[in-house]
Amino acid sequence: QKEVEQDPGPLSVPEGAIVSLNCTYSNSAFQYFMWYRQYSRKGPELLMYTYSSGNKEDGRFTAQVDKSSKYISLFIRDSQPSDSATYLCAMTNQTGNQFYFGTGTSLTVIP
Amino acid sequence: IAGITQAPTSQILAAGRRMTLRCTQDMRHNAMYWYRQDLGLGLRLIHYSNTAGTTGKGEVPDGYSVSRANTDDFPLTLASAVPSQTSVYFCASSESRSTEAFFGQGTRLTVV
Repeated sequence: QKEVEQDPGPLSVPEGAIVSLNCTYSNSAFQYFMWYRQYSRKGPELLMYTYSSGNKEDGRFTAQVDKSSKYISLFIRDSQPSDSATYLCAMTNQTGNQFYFGTGTSLTVIP
Repeated sequence: IAGITQAPTSQILAAGRRMTLRCTQDMRHNAMYWYRQDLGLGLRLIHYSNTAGTTGKGEVPDGYSVSRANTDDFPLTLASAVPSQTSVYFCASSESRSTEAFFGQGTRLTVV
């Protein structure tokens, strides 16, 4: 079983829709959770960083962590064509030597 | 602009040749990482360094070596390239092992 599972999609939504992206994980020691956006032929760009459970909001983006269910989500409100990209979740713990990544969800927002 | 610089951006390499991918960061981060990204497999850790002078093996270290002589630089060397090392390579850094990682723009390597 992989440490982090993420539905690869592809996901296609109309402009203005609310998008929900999700990851599940198996290691209960994970405490730090990240979401990255990756445009084609570019490096991953950090969108959100959260610690432990709860919600964090930044503009149109909301990250949610449910440690009891080992489940994290990224919500994108009022989605725009410029949001079309691959979204990667990542997580780690205090003593780990690496970040564990999901394989990414490809999102297309149609104008 | 602060960040991570990788070089070259792309390279075609003959099998059996030696190649060093360069990575430099100016954020004074302690930890640095090399990942490879392949379709369907996501990002896989090759090697990491928690601080200057130390390195460790990740998930897929075979055929690769790294060094960390100072805080800013973390080169990745392929001693004798093979076609299975065709991939996109990303260097990343973080302030510590538990803080967020920042990525370079990647090196697209093709081994023929």
